[in-house]
Amino acid sequence: DAKTTQPPSMDCAEGRAANLPCNHSTISGNEYVYWYRQIHSQGPQYIIHGLKNNETNEMASLIITEDRKSSTLILPHATLRDTAVYYCIVRPRGATNKLIFGTGTLLAVQP
Amino acid sequence: NAGVTQTPKFQVLKTGQSMTLQCAQDMNHEYMSWYRQDPGMGLRLIHYSVGAGITDQGEVPNGYNVSRSTTEDFPLRLLSAAPSQTSVYFCASSYSGGGVNTEAFFGQGTRLTVV
Repeated sequence: DAKTTQPPSMDCAEGRAANLPCNHSTISGNEYVYWYRQIHSQGPQYIIHGLKNNETNEMASLIITEDRKSSTLILPHATLRDTAVYYCIVRPRGATNKLIFGTGTLLAVQP
Repeated sequence: NAGVTQTPKFQVLKTGQSMTLQCAQDMNHEYMSWYRQDPGMGLRLIHYSVGAGITDQGEVPNGYNVSRSTTEDFPLRLLSAAPSQTSVYFCASSYSGGGVNTEAFFGQGTRLTVV
């Protein structure tokens, strides 16, 4: 299983874009990049996932480099409610029942 | 549609006691999993199931038992509680979809303290 590396913490001003990086240099060809977040010890919440193309949904955008060794989650207009721990997870297709969580990035959105 | 429901939300046990953490989902998901989260750490997988009657061990299975008699329910049993099992426990479910990627839905957690 590919290991991910994320910065332990980041700050972002409210209303600005939050860019959360993730390194997954050992990712395999059949592995997807998933992002989840956990707000104040609640259950984790799915954000987005992708294989090799950039993805966008109502919550965020996911940019995956061409060599797939790193990715960036973008929250376009961060709000105080986006303060959370963000987890980058790399898993094979369909393995949604065996997620491997690291320690994630604590994003603090400042007013 | 309640999603994933965990009970109880809080529990205090004495060392050596046994108990069952309940997890139920109403989304007809084949996949269900149990995770534990210790302070300052990410979630770690305890046990998981790919369908009724089928379970398997995750990263940290020792001290826990599971069974899956129905699609909806996936209880986690602590046989003899130890202080090291003090943690927050999360249950999750997802649709297998024949391998199509879908999101995992998590419950709100059970906060367990063993004294």
